Formats: sequence, C-alpha cells, structure tokens
Amino acid sequence: EAGVTQFPSHSVIEKGQTVTLRCDPISGHDNLYWYRRVMGKEIKFLLHFVKESKQDESGMPNNRFLAERTGGTYSTLKVQPAELEDSGVYFCASSQGSWGIKGGSPLHFGNGTRLTVT
Amino acid sequence: KNQVEQSPQSLIILEGKNCTLQCNYTVSPFSNLRWYKQDTGRGPVSLTIMTFSENTKSNGRYTATLDADTKQSSLHITASQLSDSASYICVVSAGWDFQKLVFGTGTRLLVSP
Repeated sequence: EAGVTQFPSHSVIEKGQTVTLRCDPISGHDNLYWYRRVMGKEIKFLLHFVKESKQDESGMPNNRFLAERTGGTYSTLKVQPAELEDSGVYFCASSQGSWGIKGGSPLHFGNGTRLTVT
Repeated sequence: KNQVEQSPQSLIILEGKNCTLQCNYTVSPFSNLRWYKQDTGRGPVSLTIMTFSENTKSNGRYTATLDADTKQSSLHITASQLSDSASYICVVSAGWDFQKLVFGTGTRLLVSP
C-alpha cells in the first residue's frame, strides 16, 4: 500500500510569488488533513477535508492560503502571495476515520513539503 | 491555553544505552496522548497511543507511560540503536478528532556509536 505522498519535497520561492503544494492521500482515505510546522515551533493543524468537503479550516492562517480537494482524491494547498512567515514544513495526513482509536483508524503522515520563502 | 512541553530539547546517548524523554501537557479536555517518531526529512510515525485509563503502553523497545493526574508522560527507549536517532514528538488530543491534536516541539535524539 502506497503511503501519503507530497509534492514537491522542497520549494524555494520569492516573497510575493505563488506556490502550490500537492498531497495524494492513501487510496480510500476520506479524511485528509493539512498541518504546518514553522521553524522552531510545533506542528499545527491547518484544515481537514472529508472527501471533497472542507470539514474544518479553523487553522488556516489567512486568506492567502487556499486548499482544494477536487473529486475527493488528491488535495492542493496554494499560497498566494507568499510571505516570509509562510516558510516551514507543510505536512499532509490521511485516515479512514476522523478519529484515532476505539474503532477509528490511525493517522498517516506524508514526508512533508519544505517551503522556503526568500 | 492548550500546550505540550517536552524535555530535553535534545539528547545524545551511546548506542546500547537507555533513555527517557519527558512530556508535560496542559490540554483540556484530555482524550488521548500519542508519541510519534520523526526521522529527518520524513513525516511523523505513530509509536504509541494511550487513553486516560492506560498508564503504560509498549511498542518493542519503546515504552510510554502516562500519569493523567499530574499530566505527565514519558517515553523510555531501551537498548538504543543508531536507527533510533530521530525527533520524538508528544501529541495530546483535546478531543477525538485529529484537528484537535496539540503537538509538542519534540526531543531530538542522537544515538552515537
């Protein structure tokens, strides 16, 4: 079984440019999550999809961030225009259920996309 | 404010030795506590998950403990191997949903030959 894959693994862009990150969840996983780790800080939740619907986007920092999951398969996270503080590692994770134990399913993380905004 | 604090920030031990990593949390309501291992350039991988009623959970050479009264957890690694070199992240869930996960900043462990 293929794991959660993210593309690209690294991206270096200039302030003001646009970047699109892609995540392919494990096949059959309805739940897809985006998290972010800013340098020196902890990983934080950004948003949650159930199939193609945004279930919770309370962690999205501002309207420069746009996430989509067309058709309920892969997801993209676009940052436009990018700012210096957007630098960090963006993780995607997927699961079958939206909860982790007692009948739920584990959360599988991708390897992340390291975004550097200069 | 929900927070997870880990100590030490980094640790170097000799191969074959044991070590214990600490996690203190102020997360409410408490649902479960997880320890993840994150190799450099990879995503976090779950080691253990414990609920309120569990105070010990093992996964091979990894043993996690939980004291829900003092809101503390530890991860003990026995007979360390070079492949144990990684960041270990304590994650506390404030609910049953994955969007309620509160992450610590991790302990970076280096196992030296």
